[in-house]
Amino acid sequence: GQQVQQSPTSLVLQEGENAELQCNFSTSLNSMQWFYQRPGGSLISVFYNPSGTKQSGRLTSTTVIKERRSSLHISSSQITDSGTYLCAMDTGGLSGKLTFGEGTQVTVIS
Amino acid sequence: ETAVFQTPNYHVTQVGNEVSFNCKQTLGHDTMYWYKQDSKKLLKIMFSYNNKQLIVNETVPRRFSPQSSDKAHLNLRIKSVEPEDSAVYLCASSWTGGAYEQYFGPGTRLTVL
Repeated sequence: GQQVQQSPTSLVLQEGENAELQCNFSTSLNSMQWFYQRPGGSLISVFYNPSGTKQSGRLTSTTVIKERRSSLHISSSQITDSGTYLCAMDTGGLSGKLTFGEGTQVTVIS
Repeated sequence: ETAVFQTPNYHVTQVGNEVSFNCKQTLGHDTMYWYKQDSKKLLKIMFSYNNKQLIVNETVPRRFSPQSSDKAHLNLRIKSVEPEDSAVYLCASSWTGGAYEQYFGPGTRLTVL
């Protein structure tokens, strides 16, 4: 089964609205990252957040490792926030590979 | 600021041809990765490689092979491309052992006709 579950699958926001994206992991993990990707664009690391809460501008990430979940909060959304947000986990081990969720597609409209 | 570089940006080829994609990182990391992003945007690991060890995802067909000259470079060769190889290939790097942030390149979009 899918090891990384993201919700919602997609989201439409009016400019200025807040949103919360969820990521749940079916196995224990070492760390996790949130990424942002525009259509046809690069994968940009938004947060590397193994645990606790981190903030960057209007974005806040909270990871609770024991509960195997992480959230990404977007406050006062802007049109430029539109894109796909992906979470990924690292379960440890030598490979260091990331296992990705399927993403949340965010569309912000005016 | 880009620190993981990939070439080419795009490549169009025909079934059965051989292709090779390049990746270079300037972060001094000792581990590099190749991921495949399919048409549904799902990202999956293909290879993880450092100076000592190549770890291959067992679902990767044998026509794919990573090639490294040093720890800053990890290329990807596809011996005889198939239509299902059409995807975006993303290179990444980090420090060894996991639990470190990974940095991604811009990707190479492959189209197989």
